[in-house]
Amino acid sequence: DSGVTQTPKHLITATGQRVTLRCSPRSGDLSVYWYQQSLDQGLQFLIQYYNGEERAKGNILERFSAQQFPDLHSELNLSSLELGDSALYFCASSGTGDSSDTQYFGPGTRLTVL
Amino acid sequence: DQQVKQNSPSLSVQEGRISILNCDYTNSMFDYFLWYKKYPAEGPTFLISISSIKDKNEDGRFTVFLNKSAKHLSLHIVPSQPGDSAVYFCAASAGAQKLVFGQGTRLTINP
Repeated sequence: DSGVTQTPKHLITATGQRVTLRCSPRSGDLSVYWYQQSLDQGLQFLIQYYNGEERAKGNILERFSAQQFPDLHSELNLSSLELGDSALYFCASSGTGDSSDTQYFGPGTRLTVL
Repeated sequence: DQQVKQNSPSLSVQEGRISILNCDYTNSMFDYFLWYKKYPAEGPTFLISISSIKDKNEDGRFTVFLNKSAKHLSLHIVPSQPGDSAVYFCAASAGAQKLVFGQGTRLTINP
């Protein structure tokens, strides 16, 4: 158990809908990261937050947004969903967000768009 | 442009022998490298890391080697055990800790 929790574990929805994925980092970690893993693909970095502020952005679509709240949990919002958004979404956390700080991953949310 | 590549999608090794997983990278700015292990339906689990100032790091059965001139990273597992069967991802970061992952190598340990 990494200490990072993600809810829900599974989500099935229809095209055009909007969903919210939630992540609670390890106790004491200030930095949260979101990654997407499509079928048979590696993990693609989406976005990083550090202590409530956006720190880095990767291949995140404009239809997607995220935020980190004062209690340090984070939410990833996916809107106008398309079939191609079906994937595993992982959240990771680290202490300081520095380059030598290991990221610990949650169990993921499997999103299926029908 | 794939900055981190794992060219072997799968690897099969006999129990007790050495498993060697390879990873190549193109970005010379990467300064921190990690290996993660992933079981089905679980998140990646951190295994071992190495800073660019080192060329080797060891943790029990796991050793990571870094060859900066060749931009090559390898993970050695010895002896290999059935529980090591999983998908292994190498990852790299440059400063801001945005991790760039390889595509993964599925390791199967045969009894």
